[in-house]
Amino acid sequence: GIQVEQSPPDLILQEGANSTLRCNFSDSVNNLQWFHQNPWGQLINLFYIPSGTKQNGRLSATTVATERYSLLYISSSQTTDSGVYFCAVDRSGGGADGLTFGKGTHLIIQP
Amino acid sequence: DAGVIQSPRHEVTEMGQEVTLRCKPISGHNSLFWYRQTMMRGLELLIYFNNNVPIDDSGMPEDRFSAKMPNASFSTLKIQPSEPRDSAVYFCASSARIEAFFGQGTRLTVV
Repeated sequence: GIQVEQSPPDLILQEGANSTLRCNFSDSVNNLQWFHQNPWGQLINLFYIPSGTKQNGRLSATTVATERYSLLYISSSQTTDSGVYFCAVDRSGGGADGLTFGKGTHLIIQP
Repeated sequence: DAGVIQSPRHEVTEMGQEVTLRCKPISGHNSLFWYRQTMMRGLELLIYFNNNVPIDDSGMPEDRFSAKMPNASFSTLKIQPSEPRDSAVYFCASSARIEAFFGQGTRLTVV
């Protein structure tokens, strides 16, 4: 099956800093999603981005499908950005077949 | 839209008891997924349904686990008998085409 690797595993930043989270995957995909798991455990959809670039406020994401990686950018970090960020890809590359998750990047934003 | 609704939010049960977790997918979504999150194994897919039909249950850990989807608006995940190692957060997700949306999860503790 598809392998998903995220880096860095942990990141501690001061409020206002910028960060880049990386996701590498081992095979072609039809689905790549970024999630934020907040301290209450909720998985919040950030981006559906199998290819290209998207932006939503202070967050943006880029997926280079041909090179099998995706980047999540967080600018001007706020304490509410703390939590775990997961990258997930569809397992077989053929559509809605279930997601394979990376181990996540644990982000702590200090005031 | 109310999103994916799971119940109960928390469940504490004794070893050997039967546990039933419930999920209501987003209206109009034709794919439903059950995931489990643990510290050791992260987020892993247990089973998924397309149009109420189980497609792949290879992630179900043992015969003690079973899942049903009797109609498009309801699914259950049952563990019988439960064991302490089943303690985890269980997520249900649904999708209309490819992008998946998650419920708030059920935190199961088996003592």
